[in-house]
Amino acid sequence: DTAVSQTPKYLVTQMGNDKSIKCEQNLGHDTMYWYKQDSKKFLKIMFSYNNKELIINETVPNRFSPKSPDKAHLNLHINSLELGDSAVYFCASSQALLVNNEQFFGPGTRLTVL
Amino acid sequence: GIQVEQSPPDLILQEGANSTLRCNFSDSVNNLQWFHQNPWGQLINLFYIPSGTKQNGRLSATTVATERYSLLYISSSQTTDSGVYFCAGGYGAGTALIFGKGTTLSVSS
Repeated sequence: DTAVSQTPKYLVTQMGNDKSIKCEQNLGHDTMYWYKQDSKKFLKIMFSYNNKELIINETVPNRFSPKSPDKAHLNLHINSLELGDSAVYFCASSQALLVNNEQFFGPGTRLTVL
Repeated sequence: GIQVEQSPPDLILQEGANSTLRCNFSDSVNNLQWFHQNPWGQLINLFYIPSGTKQNGRLSATTVATERYSLLYISSSQTTDSGVYFCAGGYGAGTALIFGKGTTLSVSS
């Protein structure tokens, strides 16, 4: 009964391809996030999303787009992949409460662009 | 935006030693978390601690919100404690976490 799951765990693809990473949470949370961890292990927010609002980090290229079919899922689509997109992508979720906004992370997806 | 500074960047310990990791914030946060990223890359929640002190086994954490810092204590370290420790903070409900650069801990037997 994994709380936040991602698929696939590893993704190896060629430059120029389009790919998706799926994320599901079974915690009943109302907010989900995508973070990127670069080769120096630095973690940075890409998107946060609840059923009302999408907040995009301004540094994220528009080749990246989150899509949420329902409250439990937030998938990440990447078009025209570039070498610099190689990284580990983490999905997370939280219940957006002022008194407790603890975020829980998925296992990560390691994307390698060749 | 909020800046998060962690120290030290690297720490090498013998098994059984104690250590203190520090996290400073440039601005007030009302969400603060400590994570352990194990050698397999998993991010494991250690503490959700916007203020006060919490303990979980050999680990404890203290956040002094008014002075914008948090400390993570690891006692009697074990080789399985090795990995990267991140602190992260944010302000508001449903807002993203801003991460520090982490402290890489190596514990040898």
